[in-house]
Amino acid sequence: GAGVSQSPSNKVTEKGKDVELRCDPISGHTALYWYRQSLGQGLEFLIYFQGNSAPDKSGLPSDRFSAERTGGSVSTLTIQRTQQEDSAVYLCASSLVAVQETQYFGPGTRLLVL
Amino acid sequence: KNQVEQSPQSLIILEGKNCTLQCNYTVSPFSNLRWYKQDTGRGPVSLTIMTFSENTKSNGRYTATLDADTKQSSLHITASQLSDSASYICVVSASFRGGATNKLIFGTGTLLAVQP
Repeated sequence: GAGVSQSPSNKVTEKGKDVELRCDPISGHTALYWYRQSLGQGLEFLIYFQGNSAPDKSGLPSDRFSAERTGGSVSTLTIQRTQQEDSAVYLCASSLVAVQETQYFGPGTRLLVL
Repeated sequence: KNQVEQSPQSLIILEGKNCTLQCNYTVSPFSNLRWYKQDTGRGPVSLTIMTFSENTKSNGRYTATLDADTKQSSLHITASQLSDSASYICVVSASFRGGATNKLIFGTGTLLAVQP
């Protein structure tokens, strides 16, 4: 595709439910990143996939958060037992090879936990 | 502690005027510094990337400067337009283990409003 796409655009869920957020990176990009942006806050790094290497999970805020990347392309961010503080915009980005390069961001998924 | 601080937090200017946004960082070891523009409800879009050896880089009406000695960067917007209204985010990359691992540290952004 022309750019990074994410789905759904918006998600409203009840506290305690699990949610899955999807990211389709730019075709051919081997690096994929997940970020979170809470209202009035800066971007917060969550997790980084680089090719077949073990992902850098150092930014995940708790063990309720997990992500996987199947076939080196599409990635899914899963939040289990959602809490109200999980409400945020979740942004996905991809770059051609590595962190040093320009990252292209998707439009984000706006998650609201009631 | 690796930190990126931006100022001002918000800024209102009239269309056609110039403005300068500031970014100070305490990130080490430094790899590169980026400026992103984020429109409301959209993902960030890259404006510039500068490495240690670069002092200035331009992208249209946007000019970024970097002083690696004082660990300061600025983003200058010339002849502002209404479409420049957005959040501008400074991001510094720290490189570890000979470049094998990189961390991105994000500033909280400067919210710019350009008024007619």
